[in-house]
Amino acid sequence: DTGVSQDPRHKITKRGQNVTFRCDPISEHNRLYWYRQTLGQGPEFLTYFQNEAQLEKSRLLSDRFSAERPKGSFSTLEIQRTEQGDSAMYLCASSYTGGSTDTQYFGPGTRLTVL
Amino acid sequence: GESVGLHLPTLSVQEGDNSIINCAYSNSASDYFIWYKQESGKGPQFIIDIRSNMDKRQGQRVTVLLNKTVKHLSLQIAATQPGDSAVYFCAEKRSGYKLSFGAGTTVTVRA
Repeated sequence: DTGVSQDPRHKITKRGQNVTFRCDPISEHNRLYWYRQTLGQGPEFLTYFQNEAQLEKSRLLSDRFSAERPKGSFSTLEIQRTEQGDSAMYLCASSYTGGSTDTQYFGPGTRLTVL
Repeated sequence: GESVGLHLPTLSVQEGDNSIINCAYSNSASDYFIWYKQESGKGPQFIIDIRSNMDKRQGQRVTVLLNKTVKHLSLQIAATQPGDSAVYFCAEKRSGYKLSFGAGTTVTVRA
């Protein structure tokens, strides 16, 4: 399978714990995005990378959130001191800017439940 | 603020009929629109896209129509099948990279 992959698919944690999610984009895609989706809503943009550079962060991304893409390939999203309001689906997408439309392709998501 | 939205949250369709899913947008500066399909427990799946310099684009069993005059986008699915049951999102690309999504339309196909 050459699509976007995310790990883990599900994560249950207790409030106050730290969690880290991983995203592996489609090979050769130079842009990588993180979105958050809550029940019944569309995905909301969190941040994006072009190669290893993080170029924008949404105001939704509080100081407890940090994302990295150290070698311009996979990315990690860490949430520190989780809160119940962090419970959501965290989606990763990737795209290739060399194409005509820079279409974003999504992974299956990581569903986070904070107890 | 400006956003992308859908006209109806749910749509029930008889198998074999055509489906039409509507979306209204308000940002006249948007230049690219995408339709995604999301099945339960999965990430959004790209269906079809359209640039603002076009008014129609066709794919396999799907057609997207763009009416810039009234800022309206629609997705037509021909001969709807049970596998088409999902939540459909329209998304708007702003600022060259990030997508803004509406709340989605849940399509249920009746046998």
